[in-house]
Amino acid sequence: DAGITQSPRYKITETGRQVTLMCHQTWSHSYMFWYRQDLGHGLRLIYYSAAADITDKGEVPDGYVVSRSKTENFPLTLESATRSQTSVYFCASSESTGVFNEQFFGPGTRLTVL
Amino acid sequence: AQSVAQPEDQVNVAEGNPLTVKCTYSVSGNPYLFWYVQYPNRGLQFLLKYITGDNLVKGSYGFEAEFNKSQTSFHLKKPSALVSDSALYFCAVRDYGQNFVFGPGTRLSVLP
Repeated sequence: DAGITQSPRYKITETGRQVTLMCHQTWSHSYMFWYRQDLGHGLRLIYYSAAADITDKGEVPDGYVVSRSKTENFPLTLESATRSQTSVYFCASSESTGVFNEQFFGPGTRLTVL
Repeated sequence: AQSVAQPEDQVNVAEGNPLTVKCTYSVSGNPYLFWYVQYPNRGLQFLLKYITGDNLVKGSYGFEAEFNKSQTSFHLKKPSALVSDSALYFCAVRDYGQNFVFGPGTRLSVLP
């Protein structure tokens, strides 16, 4: 199916473990984004990517790593999970960085770090 | 730096009544403004956007938004609310060459 998908949808892990959240889009959009959603903060940008092999930090990148070897995939890795990384994570994509281009969001991954 | 404020955490309205969800913004250049809606356990869905031109923008599901440059506002409106409109609404702004900045969200409850 066309669109943007995330996996897993729910994840429980323990402090110190490595966790990878997957994001896949079928539109061949150039730009992809990772956000976290926390009460009182709305959505905050973690990392974004303008194209394959091009990534850049957003507002809250510490503790996260991304890669983009293929246009359609943009995995987010928590190298050593902490409780403060308990959140809902959203992946998004857009056609370009043109200011008139809206972003399309995946369904989200709810991550709990114990 | 660009920023977005949504002054109300929660808006309650009776079904059939008009609704307004408020948004104010701050950008250094021309504002490009967006509204998104989030239903429970779902990702954000695009509703509408203002880029340039007419200050009244029409979007999905009967929603519209009014851009007011002097008041730096972009309020979301609907003439007649439905119970199914109950959701979390996010205003977002982007400045040229910048990424999106989202507001904290406003929870809309439409009461039957």
